[in-house]
Amino acid sequence: DQQVKQNSPSLSVQEGRISILNCDYTNSMFDYFLWYKKYPAEGPTFLISISSIKDKNEDGRFTVFLNKSAKHLSLHIVPSQPGDSAVYFCAANYGGSQGNLIFGKGTKLSVKP
Amino acid sequence: DTEVIQTPKHLVMGMTNKKSLKCEQHMGHRAMYWYKQKAKKPPELMFVYSYEKLSINESVPSRFSPECPNSSLLNLHLHALQPEDSALYLCASKRTGETDTQYFGPGTRLTVL
Repeated sequence: DQQVKQNSPSLSVQEGRISILNCDYTNSMFDYFLWYKKYPAEGPTFLISISSIKDKNEDGRFTVFLNKSAKHLSLHIVPSQPGDSAVYFCAANYGGSQGNLIFGKGTKLSVKP
Repeated sequence: DTEVIQTPKHLVMGMTNKKSLKCEQHMGHRAMYWYKQKAKKPPELMFVYSYEKLSINESVPSRFSPECPNSSLLNLHLHALQPEDSALYLCASKRTGETDTQYFGPGTRLTVL
């Protein structure tokens, strides 16, 4: 059973507008969440993370929101740029300090000029 | 610097060949990981090394044999692979704190004929 779910396989947004990518999880023991961006045939690039003790973390154009009661997190990109077009993976940390990650299936973001 | 180096970038091998994938990082990270990623799927964890000792093997077939010769290097030895083992193999590393981020290499694209 999938413990980390990204229910939207794709999202298309106009340049300059906000992109919102969503992620749901089922295991309340997850304590740390990360977003990675991935281009084809490349490794995932770390974007931003959030600890379960926080509800928001911001880094430049990227903001991650965490709603623990709903077991939901979202990544906001404002303003969206064509270079943001990629697959975005949500990942949850389990296994404590070893930091084993469970990934969602990814959402392909297309930002149109 | 958050660079994880993987060689080779591409590898084509027959089912009777023996080959190795290499991963290198000089960030002082003491946890290193091998992941496998098939097309349009999320990365799946294979092995975890912590302080140069194998700590997790996610039920990976014995035709995949990991090795961690020192704290900077991680190898994945391949023998008698099957065509379904064709995938992108990703290496990652992190410090050992619970909220430390995993950084990924660009991957090795493996094709088994």
